[in-house]
Amino acid sequence: EAQVTQNPRYLITVTGKKLTVTCSQNMNHEYMSWYRQDPGLGLRQIYYSMNVEVTDKGDVPEGYKVSRKEKRNFPLILESPSPNQTSLYFCASSLSGLARDNEQFFGPGTRLTVL
Amino acid sequence: AQKVTQAQTEISVVEKEDVTLDCVYETRDTTYYLFWYKQPPSGELVFLIRRNSFDEQNEISGRYSWNFQKSTSSFNFTITASQVVDSAVYFCALRGAGNNRKLIWGLGTSLAVNP
Repeated sequence: EAQVTQNPRYLITVTGKKLTVTCSQNMNHEYMSWYRQDPGLGLRQIYYSMNVEVTDKGDVPEGYKVSRKEKRNFPLILESPSPNQTSLYFCASSLSGLARDNEQFFGPGTRLTVL
Repeated sequence: AQKVTQAQTEISVVEKEDVTLDCVYETRDTTYYLFWYKQPPSGELVFLIRRNSFDEQNEISGRYSWNFQKSTSSFNFTITASQVVDSAVYFCALRGAGNNRKLIWGLGTSLAVNP
């Protein structure tokens, strides 16, 4: 089954404790992206990756890191989480190439609480 | 700048009523893509439809229909004979023609369908 998986689905942690949210897709997609969703602010892009070893900042990258060592994986790293990073996080992937209207597939979301 | 406006924050209807969710967008791109996603209470994002800027044909899928009008920069979504299972937050999103497949999201319309 074609899908984007995220782990963990729920996480409660404390300020300053490094964490990684994993994202994996099995569709051989070149493009992957992370969004955060906050009440009143909607969904905003954190980072994106056009392909392996190619990553770039989105609209709200501060406090986050990403890596793209393999095509299927795009982990989101919070080196020193703070309470303002409490949010619902979504990973997405899609094909790249000339067909620019390719659908983005979303993971199930990770609800993160930083105390 | 690109922007998506969903003026209706919350809508409440009684089952079997028709309901239209409004979406107005702003973009300077001549080629762009519009999307609707559904977010049920469980939190995942469910893709509903994608529409290209060069295709103004309206679309119907079962009880769902979409009205795309470039002249008014609108991409409205109608649910006919609403059902309780339609209760969710609905997001309209816009993507430009650039390499970053970032979606610009509206803030969503929360639809409550009451029995």
